[in-house]
Amino acid sequence: QGQLVQSGSEVKKPGSSVRVSCKSSGGIFRSYGFSWVRLAPGQGLEWMGGVLSISGTPNYAQKFQDRVTLSADESTSTVYMELSSLRSDDTAIYYCARGRIGYKVGGEGNYFYGLDVWGQGTTVTVSS
Amino acid sequence: IQMTQSPSSVSASVGDTVTITCRASQGINGWLAWYQQRPGKAPKLLIYAVSTLQSGVPSRFSGSGSGTQFTLTISSLQPEDFATYYCQQSNSFPITFGQGTRLEIK
Repeated sequence: QGQLVQSGSEVKKPGSSVRVSCKSSGGIFRSYGFSWVRLAPGQGLEWMGGVLSISGTPNYAQKFQDRVTLSADESTSTVYMELSSLRSDDTAIYYCARGRIGYKVGGEGNYFYGLDVWGQGTTVTVSS
Repeated sequence: IQMTQSPSSVSASVGDTVTITCRASQGINGWLAWYQQRPGKAPKLLIYAVSTLQSGVPSRFSGSGSGTQFTLTISSLQPEDFATYYCQQSNSFPITFGQGTRLEIK
């Protein structure tokens, strides 16, 4: 199967940044796409952004476009998500997830096979 | 693309059959998945490509639909099925989830 192991909980001040790591095991690291999804208290799942390959250009949800940075280190099979200018409403559980990429006839790729492996989640609390 | 689920919550008993609907604001070419999330746990992929069951998922879960209307059906509900369910489209970026349907024990 596969496993994603995320870094531990964080408590941050408003205006600061947080970086969450996600180490992948099982399978070939560069053959997967990786996404970040968050679950805020009382809310539903929210996709923040992702990459279709670790060498590809990230896609971001417009809401996070200016504040989130995704990166990857192939040598350690780890992906990272950094969120800046934190606010209290960024308090949430942050998940990384991976999936195989499918391609349409025109060559456009996306998570056709779904996000089938998820990390355990990282709780980020933003409080003064 | 906006994904709208209905109902937002539903109560059912063990052994019942439940259907959850997901409507997309535009066509998504079948790039639709369903997830289950139990409290305190990470989401779990149940179905992808509208109706393909993820490996290891019980056959009481099934998906159907086309165009902009999709359904998840859970037959013969088991105690472990009481959770929140989300649909998700990956036809185009940004990927979007439905708002979730909470399945509660009656």
